[in-house]
Amino acid sequence: NAGVTQTPKFQVLKTGQSMTLQCAQDMNHEYMSWYRQDPGMGLRLIHYSVGAGITDQGEVPNGYNVSRSTTEDFPLRLLSAAPSQTSVYFCASSYTGRTDQETQYFGPGTRLLVL
Amino acid sequence: AQSVTQPDIHITVSEGASLELRCNYSYGATPYLFWYVQSPGQGLQLLLKYFSGDTLVQGIKGFEAEFKRSQSSFNLRKPSVHWSDAAEYFCAVDVYNNNDMRFGAGTRLTVKP
Repeated sequence: NAGVTQTPKFQVLKTGQSMTLQCAQDMNHEYMSWYRQDPGMGLRLIHYSVGAGITDQGEVPNGYNVSRSTTEDFPLRLLSAAPSQTSVYFCASSYTGRTDQETQYFGPGTRLLVL
Repeated sequence: AQSVTQPDIHITVSEGASLELRCNYSYGATPYLFWYVQSPGQGLQLLLKYFSGDTLVQGIKGFEAEFKRSQSSFNLRKPSVHWSDAAEYFCAVDVYNNNDMRFGAGTRLTVKP
């Protein structure tokens, strides 16, 4: 049981480049989400998914795309990276998304630098 | 505006001393409340959470937190800090019980030997 895994751990991009941040979980969790963490701001929700084929926007979705074709994977896509997207990205998952029923598990993070 | 506030950006305590980290929230209703810890280079780990009932909540690693409705606060405490507690601590709320969590900016804890 690997929990929530994220790849890569660190990435440097040039402005305008695209890339996909990978997130996978092996706990059969229906709910998955992406956060970004910026200094002095805590974590902010980008997108989330309540199951395969269902995604929705969080607090800061602009500049990011997601899809959920399987229960296990929830990739985050940057179509045209901007310096403002320099951040640490965390993926999280839980069974139902009901905070009162369970704990949300976080991955180790991906550090992204956009030049 | 709705927000989660952690007034202290950085706190330094001596090993063995007591610790209190402050958290205030401003939402119309009482949200679900959480404290997370993040060690350097690691993801977040849940310390404790409050939904209802007893306002003093016990968590892992010897931490506890007290919910005070009148003050809209959920402060984290530990009676005796260990060097391994050095980390960043985040207070978070979930207003709608759907894992759409809002986080405070974090408090970085340094422990002096």
